Amino acid sequence: DAGVIQSPRHEVTEMGQEVTLRCKPISGHNSLFWYRQTMMRGLELLIYFNNNVPIDDSGMPEDRFSAKMPNASFSTLKIQPSEPRDSAVYFCASSGLYEQYFGPGTRLTVT
Amino acid sequence: GESVGLHLPTLSVQEGDNSIINCAYSNSASDYFIWYKQESGKGPQFIIDIRSNMDKRQGQRVTVLLNKTVKHLSLQIAATQPGDSAVYFCAETHSGNTPLVFGKGTRLSVIA
Repeated sequence: DAGVIQSPRHEVTEMGQEVTLRCKPISGHNSLFWYRQTMMRGLELLIYFNNNVPIDDSGMPEDRFSAKMPNASFSTLKIQPSEPRDSAVYFCASSGLYEQYFGPGTRLTVT
Repeated sequence: GESVGLHLPTLSVQEGDNSIINCAYSNSASDYFIWYKQESGKGPQFIIDIRSNMDKRQGQRVTVLLNKTVKHLSLQIAATQPGDSAVYFCAETHSGNTPLVFGKGTRLSVIA
């Protein structure tokens, strides 16, 4: 299995631009999680899906952030418009029953 | 990848020694616990897990101990190697398919 796949691995964009992060979970996993990691705040859960349905998005910072999971094999996290304080590493993770497996992350830099 | 906040606890051990990383978890209702290892530039990597009906579980060179009475979790690494240098996170959850709550992490530094 290829594991959780994220793209792009690195993204540099200017403030105000739209950013879309992509995730392909492990086949057969029915839960998907988006996390953000920064030096100051550590790992923060943004949103998670069970069977493609968003369950809890209380961690999404504000309306500029949105996430979708149109099918079991694909999810996107969109930031529009992006701001410098959004700079972080964004991780996607998927799970079957219990253990979560993380992707390699997308390092986002907003200038 | 970036790990955790500015005041990350650090454990330094000599190569070949055993390492013990501790974690206090917060929710007495948590019934599943995982230890993750995060190397620089990578995502957290699953190491070992334990359910609340157990107090010890062993893997290859790693052992997790769970003390539910004091809500304490530990990860023991035998014969620590330079490749073990990373940030280690404990995580807890209650029931399956729900988000993990992560600890702040401990940085393990192995001295060759």
